[in-house]
Formats: sequence, structure tokens, C-alpha cells
Amino acid sequence: QSALTQPRSVSGSPGQSVTISCTGTSSDVGNYNYVSWYQQHPGKVPKLMIYDVSQRPSGVPDRFSGSKSGNTASLTISGLQAEDEADYYCCSYTGTYTLIFGGGTKLTVL
Amino acid sequence: EVQLVESGGGLVQPGGSLRLSCVASGFAFSDYWMHWVRQAPGKGLVWVSRINSEGSSTSHADSVKGRFSTSRDNAKNTLYLQMNSLRAEDTAVYYCTRDLPSHTETPAYWGQGSLVTVSS
Repeated sequence: QSALTQPRSVSGSPGQSVTISCTGTSSDVGNYNYVSWYQQHPGKVPKLMIYDVSQRPSGVPDRFSGSKSGNTASLTISGLQAEDEADYYCCSYTGTYTLIFGGGTKLTVL
Repeated sequence: EVQLVESGGGLVQPGGSLRLSCVASGFAFSDYWMHWVRQAPGKGLVWVSRINSEGSSTSHADSVKGRFSTSRDNAKNTLYLQMNSLRAEDTAVYYCTRDLPSHTETPAYWGQGSLVTVSS
């Protein structure tokens, strides 16, 4: 199964909002509300930012929000800050207890 | 504090075998589903496998099915990944991850990773 489709890169200026899309199929993103998003800074371990499409773990700023429409999930970061510059990955349940990640998106804060 | 510490990585020749271990602490290990996720150098995250809390059920990605097996010893708070018939494309950092409470599909806590290099 191919990875979920994410844009290779997005960018925004401090204070702006950016949205990262994650497109799957009716067998994964479109069929389950088990989409999660991870932030990974260079050389660091991935960090869970969003789970169950739109839920934030404790400690994650409310500037981070998630949504889903059809086969596409989205991560929106509002009030962009320099420390948000990182790679972001989406992940979806695919049924039969398997998961699939997106290819990753590099966020650049201009 | 949740801690996951992987070990067992290293350099192995193509066709060889390796077993990764992940020692868990700071939580009731036997209550949680666990996953292995890997990341090739400079590449993205790829889900490898998962195991239920009892260790009675596992699932693996197609790319490793038949070559890798996942197990756990709840008495030792340890997760394992047995990797056989290794290929160059298996070269990656392997992360041990713990699921969210009451979830089976959300790797929430991650270890520091163990690097596996497959090369002659």
C-alpha cells in the first residue's frame, strides 16, 4: 500500500496560518476517524500533535488543529512560530490493525 | 514518566538476522498495544508492526511480512522485533512506540530509536 499523500513542503511567515493536507483513500482516511499527526524536528524523535482527527494531547498548543473531509485530512497551524519549523507526518488506521503514514511535509517558517 | 529504550541495532550483512529489544518503564506495559515504526536515513516514517497488549495478535507491513516477527514479554516489560532475511532497504532507525490509552492505532510515546544498517 502506498503512503498517504502529503505536499513535500509548505511555508509561511510568522503569525500566519498554514494547512498541510494528507490524502488517502476510502480504505483508510475516508473510512476511519483515526488520523494522527506528528511533528519531527531534525535529529529528534517524532512527537504526537493530533490524534483521532482533531484531538490534541495535553501540552500541545491550541494553535494546532486537525480536521477531515472525505479522504483528506488536514493539519492547520495558526499563529506560526519559528519553532514550528519541522517535518510533519500524518498517519491513518487502515483496518485489520495496520497503519500507514504519509510521506511527510517540510514546514519552513520564512 | 513513560520511557522506551531500544537496543540491539547494528551492522548486519544482507540476508542476516537481528533482534531488537525495547524495555519499557513508567507505565503498566501489559495494558498497552505497541508498535514498531522505522525511518530510513533522510526519509519518512514507515509503520512496521503492532502487537496487542497480551501478545496474542500481531500485524506487519507487507514489506516485512514473512521476514519480521513481533513479540513481547510482559513479565520483563520488553518488546521485541525479530528481523530475518534482512535487505539493504531495511536500513533505518527503528522506533519502539506505545499506543495512547484506550487506543490501538495511535503511536503516542516513542523511544530514541535503534539504528539498523544492512550492508556488506
